[in-house]
Amino acid sequence: EIVLTQSPRTLSLSPGERATLSCRANQNVDSNYLAWYQQKPGQAPRLLIYAGSTRATGIPDRFRGSGSGTDFTLTVTRLEPEDFAVFYCHQYGDSPRTFGPGTKVDIK
Amino acid sequence: QVQLQQWGAGLLKPSETLSLTCGVSGGSFSGTYWTWIRQLPGKGLEWIGEITSGGSTNLNRSLKSRLKMSVDTSKNHISLNLSSVTAADTAVYYCARRRIGFFSAMDVWGQGTTVTISS
Repeated sequence: EIVLTQSPRTLSLSPGERATLSCRANQNVDSNYLAWYQQKPGQAPRLLIYAGSTRATGIPDRFRGSGSGTDFTLTVTRLEPEDFAVFYCHQYGDSPRTFGPGTKVDIK
Repeated sequence: QVQLQQWGAGLLKPSETLSLTCGVSGGSFSGTYWTWIRQLPGKGLEWIGEITSGGSTNLNRSLKSRLKMSVDTSKNHISLNLSSVTAADTAVYYCARRRIGFFSAMDVWGQGTTVTISS
């Protein structure tokens, strides 16, 4: 089973700042099957990035996915007030599909 | 625009069977992996399994012995049954769509169903 680890677990930033979130796997992940989700309290997760770096429909270009192998990154180039939430990485190329434990981005 | 609407019992006793249904509207039912995911209280996300419109399944081995997924193509419904539940199965359960091809991920989610297991 592919285990995903995310760091940091909490990131305290101000609107306008850059957020860099890391996702590390215990074995190689096909970057074509790596996604990032954003979840706000009481809501279902929202797909941000799929296939490693492709933004989902309607996702602004301040969200950027990158990486390969065992190391992946989600970058939010300039945080907007609505971006503060929990972010999960997810691999769906191997079974069982797995999620990272999440990084909470909160307002400093 | 595809929408997923979930329903099912929200309160169960230990040893009972959890049954949830996800109705698909506004889009194609075929060419898709219909997926169930759960979120334990205050915790992250756990993939339960997926089923195609043709009924082929891929289930999480940790739940497989208690798990049944099915599709009803006449109603555009997907169903989840988890038997012999315990308090550890208390979670918010989601259904989601993952289209086959183009490295698609789960892009449309149901509203979630809170399931509590308590005696």
